[in-house]
Amino acid sequence: EVQLVESGGGLVKPGGCLRLSCEASGFTFTNAWMSWVRQTPGKGLEWVGRIKSNADDGTTDYAAVVKGRFTISRDDSKNTLYLQMNSLKTEDTAVYYCTSLMVRGIINYWGQGTLVTVSS
Amino acid sequence: DIVMTQSPDSLAVSLGERATINCKSSQSVLYSSNNRNYLAWYQQKPGQPPKLLIYWASTRESGVPDRFSGSGSGTDFTLTITSLQAEDVAVYYCQQYYSALTFGGGTKVEIK
Repeated sequence: EVQLVESGGGLVKPGGCLRLSCEASGFTFTNAWMSWVRQTPGKGLEWVGRIKSNADDGTTDYAAVVKGRFTISRDDSKNTLYLQMNSLKTEDTAVYYCTSLMVRGIINYWGQGTLVTVSS
Repeated sequence: DIVMTQSPDSLAVSLGERATINCKSSQSVLYSSNNRNYLAWYQQKPGQPPKLLIYWASTRESGVPDRFSGSGSGTDFTLTITSLQAEDVAVYYCQQYYSALTFGGGTKVEIK
């Protein structure tokens, strides 16, 4: 059974930083492209960014609204995906989902999400 | 960025009737080299993460009931639920993966 378990969410002040983790199991993490998607409470879905598998060069790309502030990385030895979030803004408040990608952009599995609240 | 626009924002359908959701992209998501539309549909029930229903615009994910179908090409797409069931009450999102990823704003489906 595929499982994606996020952790690291919480309350942070504007301008602060936070690192989210996502532990994956039930599939071959090393071969997977992974991404983060967020959802503002009561609102829609917003893609944050993705990372290719290391076999596919391991590069990342990001949504314009987070580029330069957020960094996605992975540790294949730990089956873990990370999202480092710096210079946080109130508008970054959301539930952050860890997701696996099938064929570049089709999201086939989602974690349960972790809530990040940016507030003074 | 490719902007995805869904309509309507919400709809109420009687049990057993058809529900139709539209999705329009600001530019074509049809990749000419393989003739595939880079368009997916997801279902999100309250308190749950979204679930993949349809990809390549019309390919049903394994385990998804055949009352769900996707159609369209280029910039205009439709998700149809024939014979709506109570368990289909949810918010439905379209998403393009032609260029990065972007989602539509969602359509809430309720029982009339």
